[in-house]
Amino acid sequence: AQKVTQAQTEISVVEKEDVTLDCVYETRDTTYYLFWYKQPPSGELVFLIRRNSFDEQNEISGRYSWNFQKSTSSFNFTITASQVVDSAVYFCALRPGYSTLTFGKGTMLLVSP
Amino acid sequence: DAGVIQSPRHEVTEMGQEVTLRCKPISGHNSLFWYRQTMMRGLELLIYFNNNVPIDDSGMPEDRFSAKMPNASFSTLKIQPSEPRDSAVYFCASSLTQYETQYFGPGTRLLVL
Repeated sequence: AQKVTQAQTEISVVEKEDVTLDCVYETRDTTYYLFWYKQPPSGELVFLIRRNSFDEQNEISGRYSWNFQKSTSSFNFTITASQVVDSAVYFCALRPGYSTLTFGKGTMLLVSP
Repeated sequence: DAGVIQSPRHEVTEMGQEVTLRCKPISGHNSLFWYRQTMMRGLELLIYFNNNVPIDDSGMPEDRFSAKMPNASFSTLKIQPSEPRDSAVYFCASSLTQYETQYFGPGTRLLVL
């Protein structure tokens, strides 16, 4: 069985602070894919990134960066110099092998001005 | 490019009424997914289709729920009769294949009184 744990239910930061959202996953498959989605207050789910289990290179996209560590089964997401517009619920998700997506419970990020 | 389109965006109905949610996937995508989001259970996969054929409906809560995909550009999720516990946000997502990244629609917020 697969599982995604986002232990941080809610995080509050002040604008310009850096913030890291944690994601820990469980799967027995050797081939799997990890995702992050953003759900802003407007409600839609926005795809941010997808990584496969064979690529542990960290990725940076503007103020966003992702740290994938198979040794700790983690796929953490860091926002550098946070902005109010980053306020949203962020979901980590796992798709093992040929299975379907399993989502974590989400982390609500509140960035105050 | 048009994303996944869902209608209606909001639906308020009374217990016992039939509710039909609609989804138009991204053109060229061969897989379509229906999810339900609630505070208690998070994001749950209800059913998904490949090439208009239902593949896995194990997430459908009960016989009151049914889904169809008569063609590649249209799917419906029907609840008959609706109950207050069906109140949730229902998302439709599509992907090139069932193993590719899923792109979500804006969701339908359903309230059953």
